[in-house]
Amino acid sequence: KAGVTQTPRYLIKTRGQQVTLSCSPISGHRSVSWYQQTPGQGLQFLFEYFSETQRNKGNFPGRFSGRQFSNSRSEMNVSTLELGDSALYLCASSLQDTVTEAFFGQGTRLTVV
Amino acid sequence: GIQVEQSPPDLILQEGANSTLRCNFSDSVNNLQWFHQNPWGQLINLFYIPSGTKQNGRLSATTVATERYSLLYISSSQTTDSGVYFCAVEDSGTYKYIFGTGTRLKVLA
Repeated sequence: KAGVTQTPRYLIKTRGQQVTLSCSPISGHRSVSWYQQTPGQGLQFLFEYFSETQRNKGNFPGRFSGRQFSNSRSEMNVSTLELGDSALYLCASSLQDTVTEAFFGQGTRLTVV
Repeated sequence: GIQVEQSPPDLILQEGANSTLRCNFSDSVNNLQWFHQNPWGQLINLFYIPSGTKQNGRLSATTVATERYSLLYISSSQTTDSGVYFCAVEDSGTYKYIFGTGTRLKVLA
């Protein structure tokens, strides 16, 4: 059974650009959530989707957005990139409509220069 | 919101030693997980343990939900156990996990 797949694994972007990250959950999992990990702030929740609906959003500016498709795949977008957006972005999937055991992908490491 | 504290923040062990990592949380939780973050950044599931005790090889975990803490035991540590261990709890009703700041473990050969 394939795990959670995140693409791309690494990205280098310039300030002011935008970026889209992709996450394919484990087959059958309908909940997808995103987290940002930085050395200073640790692991912080970005947003969670279930059946194409965003059920919660973390305390991040509006430049951070996401969506989920009917096949449960999810994308997150960051517009007008800032140096502080450099981070490891982790996606997790879980099976049910309530939070149960979460399984994480390998992450996308974004560097903004 | 719920607070999660992990201790110790750093731990250095000689290979073969045992260790206990602790996770305290400030409110009742429905879900709790322990993860090991590998050098490439991936969070590897160790235990899904909202309550009770589980064992998997040299690792075991106990969560006492009524007292709001969880313990991760590592026995006969190996160099491959090195890395950062995270505890995460579900913030009830919010569909999100709150992570502790982690315990950075280094096992010396």
